[in-house]
Amino acid sequence: DIQMTQSPSSLSASEGDRVTITCRTNQSISMYLSWYQQKAGQAPKLLISVASTLQSGVPSRFSGSGSGTDFSLTISSLQPEDFATYYCQQSYTTQWTFGQGTKVEI
Amino acid sequence: QIQLHESGPGLVEPSETLSLTCTVSGASINSITHFYYWGWIRQPPGKGLEWIGNVDYGGSSYHNPSLKGRVTISQDTSKNHFSLDLKSVTAADTAVYFCARGMSSSGFDSWGQGTLVSVSS
Repeated sequence: DIQMTQSPSSLSASEGDRVTITCRTNQSISMYLSWYQQKAGQAPKLLISVASTLQSGVPSRFSGSGSGTDFSLTISSLQPEDFATYYCQQSYTTQWTFGQGTKVEI
Repeated sequence: QIQLHESGPGLVEPSETLSLTCTVSGASINSITHFYYWGWIRQPPGKGLEWIGNVDYGGSSYHNPSLKGRVTISQDTSKNHFSLDLKSVTAADTAVYFCARGMSSSGFDSWGQGTLVSVSS
């Protein structure tokens, strides 16, 4: 099984801060890594696929990078609407896995 | 515009089978234009997301091994829906259950709103 380690589990930040969340896997997943944003009471929203491809309509302050086993999601300038929980997810094998989540708080 | 909608009982008794259906509109679940997976994901109250399993356009299913064979995911192309059966449930299976569409190259790009299922007598 592919294990995923996402860090930190939570972070406190202010509007305008640059924030980076990391996701590490226990074996190479090439670039089959997606990032999601979830707000309370809502379904997750896909932000980034194949490690770095921004989905349509997602603000350019979000970016993703990495390949193999190490990945990151960066928010270049945190906005009030970005306070949420973020998850990584691998789809390299037929058994998909989510990271544990990172809660971004004020 | 694709839409997914989960339906099923909101309360299931311990040791029984949890059964949910995801009805899809705006897309065909057996389309071969794209190699889509149709998946189930759950989220216990206050916790993170857990992938339960997928069924692909051809009807092949893939499951989270941590659920120890309790999961069946199937599709009904005549009704354009896919279903989840989770056997022998316990309180630990209480969660919001989401259905979603995905591709291996893009993750889950469309989600249902989710439905809360509680396991209790």
